[in-house]
Amino acid sequence: EIVLTQSPGTLSLSLGERATLSCRASQSVSSNYLAWYQQKPGQAPRLLIYGASSRATGIPDRFSGSGSGTDFTLTLSRLEPEDFAVYYCQQYGSSLLTFGGGTKVEIK
Amino acid sequence: QVQLVQSGSELKKPGASVKVSCKASGYTFTNYNMNWVRQAPGQGLEWMGWINVNTGNPTYVKGFTGRFVFSLDTSVSTAYLQISSLKAEDTAVYYCWTHDRPRGAFDIWGQGTMVTVSS
Repeated sequence: EIVLTQSPGTLSLSLGERATLSCRASQSVSSNYLAWYQQKPGQAPRLLIYGASSRATGIPDRFSGSGSGTDFTLTLSRLEPEDFAVYYCQQYGSSLLTFGGGTKVEIK
Repeated sequence: QVQLVQSGSELKKPGASVKVSCKASGYTFTNYNMNWVRQAPGQGLEWMGWINVNTGNPTYVKGFTGRFVFSLDTSVSTAYLQISSLKAEDTAVYYCWTHDRPRGAFDIWGQGTMVTVSS
């Protein structure tokens, strides 16, 4: 099983600031099959990034994904009010799909 | 539009069973397999497994074997999750989810069904 460790657990930032979220895998993620999701309270997860760096349909370009192998990053270039949420990474490179524990981005 | 609509919240007693439905619309149901994901209160996302929508063959992740059953009714484009012998620790939101991985762009979630197990 590939274990995904997200850091930090909570990120306290102000509007307009840059957010950098990390996702580290316990072993290399095949073909960089790594996705990022955003989840707001009471809502289902929403796909932001797939294939480590491809933005999903309708996702603003202030969201970007990067990384390969075992280290991946989600960057939000300028935080907007609607960006405060919990973010999860997910790997789908193995037959056993796994999620990270999440990073909460909160308003400072 | 493309969507998955799940059945409503359930309150069950320990030992009872529950069946959650997930109805697909806006796309060809048999084109994409169906997954189930659990989220306990205040916790993260756990992938429970998936069901092949063409063969009906389910695959369960460790920890979701025995009491959990995935099934389909393709005639009404609906997937089901049944949980038997409910325990308090089964209290969670259960999501159905379909996608086209590894291509990646098609990714649809149901709105979630809250199952509460309490005496």
